[in-house]
Formats: sequence, C-alpha cells, structure tokens
Amino acid sequence: AQSVTQLGSHVSVSEGALVLLRCNYSSSVPPYLFWYVQYPNQGLQLLLKYTSAATLVKGINGFEAEFKKSETSFHLTKPSAHMSDAAEYFCAVSRAYSGAGSYQLTFGKGTKLSVIP
Amino acid sequence: NAGVTQTPKFQVLKTGQSMTLQCAQDMNHNSMYWYRQDPGMGLRLIYYSASEGTTDKGEVPNGYNVSRLNKREFSLRLESAAPSQTSVYFCASRGASANQPQHFGDGTRLSIL
Repeated sequence: AQSVTQLGSHVSVSEGALVLLRCNYSSSVPPYLFWYVQYPNQGLQLLLKYTSAATLVKGINGFEAEFKKSETSFHLTKPSAHMSDAAEYFCAVSRAYSGAGSYQLTFGKGTKLSVIP
Repeated sequence: NAGVTQTPKFQVLKTGQSMTLQCAQDMNHNSMYWYRQDPGMGLRLIYYSASEGTTDKGEVPNGYNVSRLNKREFSLRLESAAPSQTSVYFCASRGASANQPQHFGDGTRLSIL
C-alpha cells in the first residue's frame, strides 16, 4: 500500500518569505509524485510532477520540489511567497492498481497556506 | 478548452432523495475518477473507470453507483442520499501512462439536509 503524509495542516508565512510544504511518502516501488494546488471553490490544479527524469522538479508559479529517495520526501518550496499563493496544497503518489490498468492517486490530507502581508 | 466539466455546481437535497452528478471530459482520456473531499480528509476515491465499459470501487464506494456512459462521460449516482454524503465531489480524468497527472473538474458542492 502507498501513503502520503503532509506535515502541518496549516502553514503561515510572511509575504516574501520562503515557502516550505512537507510531503513524505511510502511506496514499495519507485513512485510518481505530484503536487496540486486548490484555490477556494475551485478544483485541483497540477503544480508539478516527479516522474524519475530529474530529482529537482520545477513547476508553475515559481514552485519547485526535490525528490529525495533516502528520505522518502518530496517537499515543495518557493523562495518568496506572494499573496496569490494562499491556497491549499496537496501531495499525491501514483501507483498501478493491480489488474485494472488505471493508475490510482493517493492524496495527502492537504496543507493550507496562508500568506501574511 | 473545457477539460473536465461537472454539473451541477451546487445542489441541496433532502435525506432519501436521489440524484446523479454528471461529468464529461474532452481530452480523449481512458481513465476517469470520482472523489469526495471533506475537511481534513484530503480526497478520497469513490469509484473509477479504467476504460469505457469498466468501473471499479475505490476507497469509499458505499452509498454510490457509477455509470461510464461512453468514453467522455462518467456519472455518479446517490440512490438514497444521507447527511453523511454532504461533501464536495470532484471528477477527474487522466491519460494512459502512470506518469500522467489527473485533470480535475471544478467540483459539485452537495448538501444533504
């Protein structure tokens, strides 16, 4: 079974400060990893994905994440927070569902990011 | 550039009523999914469809049924709504390989009184 743990259900940062959202996963096979962002009253939008091509992945809106196999982590960072970054962020891991051919995503419980002016 | 379209966006039901949530995608994806989102719980998979004509249960299927009408459409039905089914429901679709992300609709906000 695969699982995702996001440390901190709520993170607050000052505008211009570093954003660090933590994600740890467990997987018996090399995973595919994703970060999604959800703005209020909207669906989930893909920020970035790790698919084994490179350990440092750059996404949209200045976000990036580093895959660290030894730490089973895929933390999301942004050097300087902007007010528009206030949203909920979800980490997810992909696995192949046996016999179905449809790859499942297992989501973390989410981290709500607040940006203080 | 519609992507994944869900209808309705909001709905209020009384306990025991039935309704169908509709989802359509225009990306020619084989796989489609239904999730529910509750505060502090993340997204939980209700049902999924790997391809037209197939459906399978996810993590929380009780109280729901689905129909994969064709490649584009995947509906979720509540036969007898219960207050515990008050939630935000998301439909998603994805392409063929494991490294492809899922694409989400904007959700249906369902309240059951």
